[in-house]
Amino acid sequence: DTAVSQTPKYLVTQMGNDKSIKCEQNLGHDTMYWYKQDSKKFLKIMFSYNNKELIINETVPNRFSPKSPDKAHLNLHINSLELGDSAVYFCASSPDYYEKLFFGSGTQLSVL
Amino acid sequence: GENVEQHPSTLSVQEGDSAVIKCTYSDSASNYFPWYKQELGKGPQLIIDIRSNVGEKKDQRIAVTLNKTAKHFSLHITETQPEDSAVYFCAASGNTGNQFYFGTGTSLTVIP
Repeated sequence: DTAVSQTPKYLVTQMGNDKSIKCEQNLGHDTMYWYKQDSKKFLKIMFSYNNKELIINETVPNRFSPKSPDKAHLNLHINSLELGDSAVYFCASSPDYYEKLFFGSGTQLSVL
Repeated sequence: GENVEQHPSTLSVQEGDSAVIKCTYSDSASNYFPWYKQELGKGPQLIIDIRSNVGEKKDQRIAVTLNKTAKHFSLHITETQPEDSAVYFCAASGNTGNQFYFGTGTSLTVIP
């Protein structure tokens, strides 16, 4: 069983579209995250979330929004996609804030 | 905030040799230092971590050392094998647990 799974693996879309990436973890962790990895492999935190608190990286445009239907899921919605949004997006989870993160396999987003 | 610097950005070693990757951090309050390995097309995977009350930790062929006074920590891989080829990331996390800073990554190539 995959611990942190995200879908789709690849997402190709046009500028201006709205898209979602789904993430599920079966580890029973309380905290989940979304990271963006750019072409230079730099990992940047976008959101961290547990059932009590959402922490947003202030540099993330408000076109990006996390939605958590329950503790095991944290989906990422992106509105009005731009060329600069092209990157690999990783979901992760951990038993506590920023301790022993488990990452999904990533979603390669390409905006044309 | 914290600033984590990682060197070198690329490293090539012959199979069987050792590899060392170094990171420095700026926030003396940081107390948790994990290392992640990212293989091509996959998410980062935790390989070893160390807390500030410990100077060294070993797990088979990998070890991490921490010098709190100098604010640097290092990953040591001995008897390298081709499957060690990957991008390695260091990270630092502080007391408050509300932030996690990744280094910029080291691309390690083990030449058979």
